[in-house]
Amino acid sequence: NAGVTQTPKFQVLKTGQSMTLQCAQDMNHNSMYWYRQDPGMGLRLIYYSASEGTTDKGEVPNGYNVSRLNKREFSLRLESAAPSQTSVYFCASSEQGTLAKNIQYFGAGTRLSVL
Amino acid sequence: SQQGEEDPQALSIQEGENATMNCSYKTSINNLQWYRQNSGRGLVHLILIRSNEREKHSGRLRVTLDTSKKSSSLLITASRAADTASYFCATESQANNLFFGTGTRLTVIP
Repeated sequence: NAGVTQTPKFQVLKTGQSMTLQCAQDMNHNSMYWYRQDPGMGLRLIYYSASEGTTDKGEVPNGYNVSRLNKREFSLRLESAAPSQTSVYFCASSEQGTLAKNIQYFGAGTRLSVL
Repeated sequence: SQQGEEDPQALSIQEGENATMNCSYKTSINNLQWYRQNSGRGLVHLILIRSNEREKHSGRLRVTLDTSKKSSSLLITASRAADTASYFCATESQANNLFFGTGTRLTVIP
């Protein structure tokens, strides 16, 4: 049982390049999330998907797009990377739906540098 | 931003001592959670306390919640070197999303 799997673990991009971060969960969770973590800022929500077929903006969505491909997979795309997007990106999932079911399970993270 | 704030930002203690970290937040909440993050890893859920609860225990962890002061504390008793990590509070509001604090970096010295 792998939990939440993120790929790649590390990535270096040049300004203007595009890339997609992949996330998959095997816990049959309804909800999935993408966060970024910057020093001194904690985690900030980029996008989330409350259920298969839906996506919504979080706190910092600008410069990103997402796709909920199916119940298991939720990808994050940077269309034209900028140095300000240098960060550690975490994917998470949760059962959601009822109170106290929003305990989130995290992947190991993707460390992205944009030069 | 609804992000909470942890205090202190960093804490260094000797093995066997107790560690206390605090979290303050800004809006009304449904529940508050604490997560742990080891260096270079993802976050791991520790404990959840609902807005109508004042105290909760799990093993060596004790969490309190004061909704009138919009604050919570996490106490780790009899700390171990393996407790070295960053600890984050996360609040859940009506929108059901979590808002994470800025974290407390705990170092337990053997």
